[in-house]
Amino acid sequence: DAEITQSPRHKITETGRQVTLACHQTWNHNNMFWYRQDLGHGLRLIHYSYGVQDTNKGEVSDGYSVSRSNTEDLPLTLESAASSQTSVYFCASSESRGPTDTQYFGPGTRLTVL
Amino acid sequence: GENVEQHPSTLSVQEGDSAVIKCTYSDSASNYFPWYKQELGKRPQLIIDIRSNVGEKKDQRIAVTLNKTAKHFSLHITETQPEDSAVYFCAASNTIRNFNKFYFGSGTKLNVKP
Repeated sequence: DAEITQSPRHKITETGRQVTLACHQTWNHNNMFWYRQDLGHGLRLIHYSYGVQDTNKGEVSDGYSVSRSNTEDLPLTLESAASSQTSVYFCASSESRGPTDTQYFGPGTRLTVL
Repeated sequence: GENVEQHPSTLSVQEGDSAVIKCTYSDSASNYFPWYKQELGKRPQLIIDIRSNVGEKKDQRIAVTLNKTAKHFSLHITETQPEDSAVYFCAASNTIRNFNKFYFGSGTKLNVKP
């Protein structure tokens, strides 16, 4: 079955280290998104992509980067991890087929920065 | 950009009672409004959505209403059951201008007491 996966599911790292979170979907969706989820803030958009070689900044993009070299993957990189980036990260994808482009979420990655 | 506010942040009801969660949005051009349910430790999952050309939509025990003039929409759950306990998120999207970009509310934690 087609799906969206994230890895790792849990990650502990140290301040200043570079970290990459993987997101892979097999639906052939053009649109992919990265969110972070923190208590009291809901889901906040970090970066998003509408297709290969396309990337865009969301509302909380500082300290994060993404690249889209193929349809299936949108890795999220924390260039120099900070304690403020401790969070649960969700990747999502959707089709480009019209006015109800439902986003489907991955299982999430819990990141702890010490 | 769009701003979505969600109330209440927590809601406790007795099993069998109804629950109502309300969201307001700021961008009158928003035209798609999904609702997601997130169980503890799980990914957000779409439970119902509504387009701006519809005032109400039902799916068994859940329904969503939309008031475009007042720019608010609500989730209604009837005959609540303990398995309805979760965090619920609303979202708004202008699928034309902000193609596929969702703005989420901060979430409502629903507790259904048996």
